[in-house]
Amino acid sequence: AQSVSQHNHHVILSEAASLELGCNYSYGGTVNLFWYVQYPGQHLQLLLKYFSGDPLVKGIKGFEAEFIKSKFSFNLRKPSVQWSDTAEYFCAVIFSGSARQLTFGSGTQLTVLP
Amino acid sequence: ETGVTQSPTHLIKTRGQQVTLRCSSQSGHNTVSWYQQALGQGPQFIFQYYREEENGRGNFPPRFSGLQFPNYSSELNVNALELDDSALYLCASSLGNLAGEQETQYFGPGTRLLVL
Repeated sequence: AQSVSQHNHHVILSEAASLELGCNYSYGGTVNLFWYVQYPGQHLQLLLKYFSGDPLVKGIKGFEAEFIKSKFSFNLRKPSVQWSDTAEYFCAVIFSGSARQLTFGSGTQLTVLP
Repeated sequence: ETGVTQSPTHLIKTRGQQVTLRCSSQSGHNTVSWYQQALGQGPQFIFQYYREEENGRGNFPPRFSGLQFPNYSSELNVNALELDDSALYLCASSLGNLAGEQETQYFGPGTRLLVL
């Protein structure tokens, strides 16, 4: 079955630290890739997406992600986190032929200490 | 704000009852997808409606059913509620077409259902 894995369940960083959250998927075909964020008490918001082209994509709030096809990965990065980045982060994939459904990872809770 | 609205925001039901959740899609969108998010987990796909037709279904039993109206709003119905149905139910809307998969889903705030 097609699946999405997020390696870190909970990450704790101090402000200004660099962030990298891992995301891997189990499929060798065409994929559309997304990162969503869920701030406390708010709905899921799109951070960034990759459909094709340049594998390094930039999103909102200084986030970026790199698609590495050979590693089936789409890791999320930010050079310097802020306290306001405290949230849950979800990697999601649309697998080719999947009726356009999003398959989500289990999420990573990021806590940024001031 | 995505323009996707859901009602009600919270709901408490007892086991065996039936529930209807509602979603209004973003203006111009023709596709609605429903997801169930249990506590501490990522959202799980329930089903998707494209132009009033079901366009894919996840691993959920038939007591989960849905509907999409001509204005592309949608309902999720759950019959014979079980305790494990307690979750956040998310609706996402998108502008879809059957030619490809390059579309982005925008989520509403969700309906939190508690089954006692």
